[in-house]
Amino acid sequence: QKEVEQNSGPLSVPEGAIASLNCTYSDRGSQSFFWYRQYSGKSPELIMFIYSNGDKEDGRFTAQLNKASQYVSLLIRDSQPSDSATYLCAVNPPYTGGFKTIFGAGTRLFVKA
Amino acid sequence: GAVVSQHPSWVICKSGTSVKIECRSLDFQATTMFWYRQFPKQSLMLMATSNEGSKATYEQGVEKDKFLINHASLTLSTLTVTSAHPEDSSFYICSAKQGSNQPQHFGDGTRLSIL
Repeated sequence: QKEVEQNSGPLSVPEGAIASLNCTYSDRGSQSFFWYRQYSGKSPELIMFIYSNGDKEDGRFTAQLNKASQYVSLLIRDSQPSDSATYLCAVNPPYTGGFKTIFGAGTRLFVKA
Repeated sequence: GAVVSQHPSWVICKSGTSVKIECRSLDFQATTMFWYRQFPKQSLMLMATSNEGSKATYEQGVEKDKFLINHASLTLSTLTVTSAHPEDSSFYICSAKQGSNQPQHFGDGTRLSIL
């Protein structure tokens, strides 16, 4: 079992729709969770982080964390073509002392105009 | 805040050349810096983790004599690709973090092409 699992996609949504990106992780003791966006040919960019169960909203983005289910998701409201990118879920498992981050392989999102 | 600067952005050089890439945290002190490599359409691959003043910890399969990492200060880490060959051509990305359980912040990456 991979430490951080994401559906590779591609996930295709029409412009204006809600894009829902999902991620599961294997280490139940994980404390920190991150979402990064990576455009083709560019480096990853941090868009959200969440540490507590529940929802965290920032503009059009909402991160959701359910530690009991070992599940973290990212919702993008009013999706725009400029949101088309690969979204990386990342987790700091406790065995690294919080210093090492494990990345999922990413989900490719296409927003159709 | 949390800006990481990476230079150069592009390098094209002949086989056998050594190439140095710099990674700087501009507005925070980075306890830990990371070096990744990414081939086209593939996932990020962690090469090594470095802490200021300590030897880098390399991932399995990464040659430490080939990829020299120096983390001399809390704001600067360098990766030197020694005697580079065409198979070393890739996108190299550094990242830095301020403390445990903090997010990693990435530099813009260096595209290395070895002719």
